[in-house]
Amino acid sequence: EVHLAESGGGLVQPGGSLRLSCAASGLTFSSYWMNWVRQAPGKGLEWVANIKQDGSEKKYVDSVKGRFTISRDNGKNALYLEMNSLRAEDTAVYYCASGTKSWGSFNYWGQGTLVTVSS
Amino acid sequence: DIVMTQSPDSLAVSLGERATINCKSSQNVLSKSNNENYLAWYQQKPGQPPKLLIYWASTRESGVPDRFSGSGSGTDFTLTISSLQAEDVAVYYCQQSYNIPFTFGQGTRLEIK
Repeated sequence: EVHLAESGGGLVQPGGSLRLSCAASGLTFSSYWMNWVRQAPGKGLEWVANIKQDGSEKKYVDSVKGRFTISRDNGKNALYLEMNSLRAEDTAVYYCASGTKSWGSFNYWGQGTLVTVSS
Repeated sequence: DIVMTQSPDSLAVSLGERATINCKSSQNVLSKSNNENYLAWYQQKPGQPPKLLIYWASTRESGVPDRFSGSGSGTDFTLTISSLQAEDVAVYYCQQSYNIPFTFGQGTRLEIK
């Protein structure tokens, strides 16, 4: 059974930094693109970033470019999201997600970790 | 960016009746290379992550009840629940993966009438 488990969320002041982690099990982690998707409280879903199997390609939504960095460690079956210069609008539940069906659809999701940016 | 617009924003349907949710993309999401639509549907219940229901616009994910079906091509898509069950109360999202950034519709809240 595939299991994705996010960690690292919490309360951070505006302008601060946070590093999220996602531990994967039950799938051949190194074979799949991995993604971060976020959901602000009471709002819809927003794709944030993804990373190729070997880490050679990374894509971001414009609103986080230059502030967030996605990375992975295939030896540890782990996905990361380094978040800098955090803003109030970054407050959300952050999910790691992956897909084994069609490109860009996500059949595997973690339970999410809440990031709150507030003074 | 491709903008995904769902209608309606909320919907109340009686148990056993049909529910229909529409999704319109601002650009075509049909690939000429493989003739597939890069359009997925998700169901999200409170406190849970989204669950993939449909991909390629009309392919049902394994384990999803056959009362759920997807249709459409190009820019206009529909998710249909043929006979609403109590456990189908949720928010439903469409999503395109034709272009990066992947984008979602704003969601449709489905309730029991």
